[in-house]
Amino acid sequence: EVQLMESGGGLVKPGGSLRLSCAASGFTFSNYTVTWVRQAPGKGLEWVSSISSGGTYMYYADSLRGRFTISRDNARNALFLQMNSLRSEDTALYFCARVGDLVAQTYDYWGQGTLVTVSS
Amino acid sequence: DIQMTQSPSALSASVGDRVTITCRASQYISSYLNWYQEKPGKAPQLLIFAASSVHSGVPSRFSGSASGTEFTLTISSVQPEDFATYYCQQGYSTPWTFGQGTKVEMK
Repeated sequence: EVQLMESGGGLVKPGGSLRLSCAASGFTFSNYTVTWVRQAPGKGLEWVSSISSGGTYMYYADSLRGRFTISRDNARNALFLQMNSLRSEDTALYFCARVGDLVAQTYDYWGQGTLVTVSS
Repeated sequence: DIQMTQSPSALSASVGDRVTITCRASQYISSYLNWYQEKPGKAPQLLIFAASSVHSGVPSRFSGSASGTEFTLTISSVQPEDFATYYCQQGYSTPWTFGQGTKVEMK
């Protein structure tokens, strides 16, 4: 069974940093592109960042480039999101997801999310 | 960026009703359109990928279609477990963008 489990969320002050993790199981992690998607309270889904299966290619939403860094450790079946210079508008539930179909950018399995709250 | 516009934003339906949700792309996206279902406190779930392909395990009452830049998700006979929020998402070009969501509520 494909499973993704996020961790690392919490309360952080504006300007602070957090590192999110996503533990994958039930599939060959190193064969898949994976992605982060977030959802602000009461809002819709927003794509954040994606990383290719081997970790060579990384993609970011324009508004986040320079503050967020995506990475992965295929030996540990883990995905990460380093978030720096956090702002109140970064407050959201952060999901990791597997990209099942690269051509259509289909997110076929998702974790339950980890909540990041940026507040003083 | 490609804008995805869903309509309606919300709708009320009774069990057994046929429900149709529309998603319009601001430019050509071929058939690279996916649909997801989201319930409170649960992970989003893929329903339809590449406009009309049904994801494994998804009930056959869910279907998707496309006409140019307009895409449709249809639930042929709404069941109690289908009351949720539905999102479309384009996979044609980065940034991959979602529609604003359609909340399907019980009448």
